Amino acid sequence: DGGITQSPKYLFRKEGQNVTLSCEQNLNHDAMYWYRQDPGQGLRLIYYSQIVNDFQKGDIAEGYSVSREKKESFPLTVTSAQKNPTAFYLCASSRVVRETQYFGPGTRLLVL
Amino acid sequence: LAKTTQPISMDSYEGQEVNITCSHNNIATNDYITWYQQFPSQGPRFIIQGYKTKVTNEVASLFIPADRKSSTLSLPRVSLSDTAVYYCLVGLSNDYKLSFGAGTTVTVRA
Repeated sequence: DGGITQSPKYLFRKEGQNVTLSCEQNLNHDAMYWYRQDPGQGLRLIYYSQIVNDFQKGDIAEGYSVSREKKESFPLTVTSAQKNPTAFYLCASSRVVRETQYFGPGTRLLVL
Repeated sequence: LAKTTQPISMDSYEGQEVNITCSHNNIATNDYITWYQQFPSQGPRFIIQGYKTKVTNEVASLFIPADRKSSTLSLPRVSLSDTAVYYCLVGLSNDYKLSFGAGTTVTVRA
């Protein structure tokens, strides 16, 4: 069953803590993306990766970091520098950049 | 990325056809028009994409006039499960970055 998986579904962060959100795809897509969605708003791009070992900042990269060591995986770390991390985080992938993106189910991050 | 304008909300009843029109006056020659559907606390789901005239799949139809300055997503015979936010996007051919506006909240009532 091909698709994009994100884990966990809910994640709680304590003050000053780094947390990592997982994103895995088995669609053999080269490009992967991370978006943030706040209540009642659209999606904003955090980071994207066109290919393994490459990634670029999006519109709101401050306070976030990513890695792309494997084609299938694109984890996002929300660092303590991100002062307002509470949001719904969405991972997406596409065959190549600029083609139709397909989204995972999302991870909701809450701050304790 | 071409700016799009779509209604904030629409109400309908089960079994009716819902048509959502999106305006994109500054669409570029190479831009495609793409629609996504999003349910609460879920990721957006790709519905349909088109460049011109009419595209139809098992879920919806997309009508694009000759000037391509607008497009209409048509959902036939909606059910309660079609209640969702629908986003119109323009420009995938030239831009990696999807820019989602507020979308159109479609509410289907029994």
